[in-house]
Amino acid sequence: NAGVTQTPKFQVLKTGQSMTLQCAQDMNHNSMYWYRQDPGMGLRLIYYSASEGTTDKGEVPNGYNVSRLNKREFSLRLESAAPSQTSVYFCASSEWRPGGYEQYFGPGTRLTVT
Amino acid sequence: GESVGLHLPTLSVQEGDNSIINCAYSNSASDYFIWYKQESGKGPQFIIDIRSNMDKRQGQRVTVLLNKTVKHLSLQIAATQPGDSAVYFCAENGNAGGTSYGKLTFGQGTILTVHP
Repeated sequence: NAGVTQTPKFQVLKTGQSMTLQCAQDMNHNSMYWYRQDPGMGLRLIYYSASEGTTDKGEVPNGYNVSRLNKREFSLRLESAAPSQTSVYFCASSEWRPGGYEQYFGPGTRLTVT
Repeated sequence: GESVGLHLPTLSVQEGDNSIINCAYSNSASDYFIWYKQESGKGPQFIIDIRSNMDKRQGQRVTVLLNKTVKHLSLQIAATQPGDSAVYFCAENGNAGGTSYGKLTFGQGTILTVHP
């Protein structure tokens, strides 16, 4: 049981380049999320997927797109990277269970846009 | 817009002391709150949660208190250990149990440093 995995761990892009951040979870959770974390700040929600086949915007969606490929995988795409997108990106998954709330975060992708 | 914030950005304690980390929230409709621990270079780790129909909830060495009257949340860590050193975030959700229950609004975080 690996939990939430993210690839890559680190990435450097030039302004205007594109890339896709990958996320997968093996806990059979319905909901998945992408957050960004800037230095000295809490996490801000970019996009989320309440269940397979649905996606919705979060607090800071501009400049990003997402794909809920299947129940396990949720990818985040930067079509034309900008320096303002330099950040650490976290994927998470969650589910309400009879015993309580389950939520797990991945280890993060550190992205630098020059 | 609505936000969740923290009173103190840093907290230093001695090993064995009790720690209290505070959080103020402004959305009176918030009905679910979570505390997270984030160690350097890692993702946030769920510590404990509380729903708005409760005032207190206890876990292993941690207690969360919720005061809805003044919209205040606190995390108490008993017998703090060096391994507790991390950034602690509170987060709130306004639709616990619904389809957007993971849409969390995070505070800025408090850095807890535990000295041996």
